Amino acid sequence: DAKTTQPTSMDCAEGRAANLPCNHSTISGNEYVYWYRQIHSQGPQYIIHGLKNNETNEMASLIITEDRKSSTLILPHATLRDTAVYYCIVRVPNNAGNMLTFGGGTRLMVKP
Amino acid sequence: DGGITQSPKYLFRKEGQNVTLSCEQNLNHDAMYWYRQDPGQGLRLIYYSQIVNDFQKGDIAEGYSVSREKKESFPLTVTSAQKNPTAFYLCASSIGGVTEAFFGQGTRLTVV
Repeated sequence: DAKTTQPTSMDCAEGRAANLPCNHSTISGNEYVYWYRQIHSQGPQYIIHGLKNNETNEMASLIITEDRKSSTLILPHATLRDTAVYYCIVRVPNNAGNMLTFGGGTRLMVKP
Repeated sequence: DGGITQSPKYLFRKEGQNVTLSCEQNLNHDAMYWYRQDPGQGLRLIYYSQIVNDFQKGDIAEGYSVSREKKESFPLTVTSAQKNPTAFYLCASSIGGVTEAFFGQGTRLTVV
């Protein structure tokens, strides 16, 4: 599975959009981009995933560049409860047991 | 409600003792995983299982053992051979394909 690079930490004002970038320059054609988040002392929570088209659900939007070498997770109206570590993962579904490999992630701090 | 349950939430053991962490899921998922998380770090894969009676080592399997006798259960034993067992342990399951993994709430193991 391709590796990802994310900023270590970011701040965002409450009510504003939080844009979390992820670089995955070695992504292969059959790898999907997944985002998870982990609130302190809890298990990670799935947010969204995509292959090449932009995706949106009730939690967030995922924007993937045309060359697929980077993506951005957008939380449109961040709240204090969105403070968490956000993990960007790229993987091939059904690859070696579907295991997920987590890097260090981005620690997002939403401030009042 | 369907979900994945880890117990206990907090566990204390004396050095040199084996300890078994429980993970149960009623989601009918084939794949299950164990991760370890140290303070301020990402998740590292210990073991995973794609199907009953089969499991594979992850990146840091030394000092750990697992079993998968039932689809619903994937217990992790932390043996006395694990040099630094104090950590936050997370169990996850997934159905495979382009789907998300579901995580339990974790067990925080402290060895004194």
